[in-house]
Amino acid sequence: DADVTQTPRNRITKTGKRIMLECSQTKGHDRMYWYRQDPGLGLRLIYYSFDVKDINKGEISDGYSVSRQAQAKFSLSLESAIPNQTALYFCATSGGRNRYTFGSGTRLTVV
Amino acid sequence: AQTVTQSQPEMSVQEAETVTLSCTYDTSESDYYLFWYKQPPSRQMILVIRQEAYKQQNATENRFSVNFQKAAKSFSLKISDSQLGDAAMYFCAYVAQGGSEKLVFGKGTKLTVNP
Repeated sequence: DADVTQTPRNRITKTGKRIMLECSQTKGHDRMYWYRQDPGLGLRLIYYSFDVKDINKGEISDGYSVSRQAQAKFSLSLESAIPNQTALYFCATSGGRNRYTFGSGTRLTVV
Repeated sequence: AQTVTQSQPEMSVQEAETVTLSCTYDTSESDYYLFWYKQPPSRQMILVIRQEAYKQQNATENRFSVNFQKAAKSFSLKISDSQLGDAAMYFCAYVAQGGSEKLVFGKGTKLTVNP
């Protein structure tokens, strides 16, 4: 099994729908991150969390929310999806010493 | 805020040749790490090489090496003996030591390897 698992792998949703992307990890890492990748823009940070009670906004948090249900689980929600949220979303973890583990990504399409 | 710039959106190389991907960054920190990640069509993010800023010696991993110029804030990736499997998006990334450990990425360079 992968160390960092993202579900779903691909998703198509309609404008205005609420959608949740899930991330779980078996690394035992405290730090978890959500990134968004767009062509020509690289990866940009949406939210990050140091532990269940510590959640922080990244550079592009508008339109997104997160929940850290447990050390191992960090979910990203789009309350009302819009087409410009179509992107590839990555979850990543860090156990310190600047070593990161990425999930395999969720490709989200909003139509 | 820290920024990472990759000035080459696309590069191409002939199989078995050498190619260099450029990356510059801007920071006021003195202690940080730099990374090159490879993203093949499978979209997995694969760590290619990692450099600690306080180490003057350039990192190498088999056919991959970096030219780290701290004063110039430059961190280029050299791929020697290019192989078809090297074709991918390559991202340069930076993180300041300590704190939130937020990775900051460049916009990426798409590498094509021609047979």
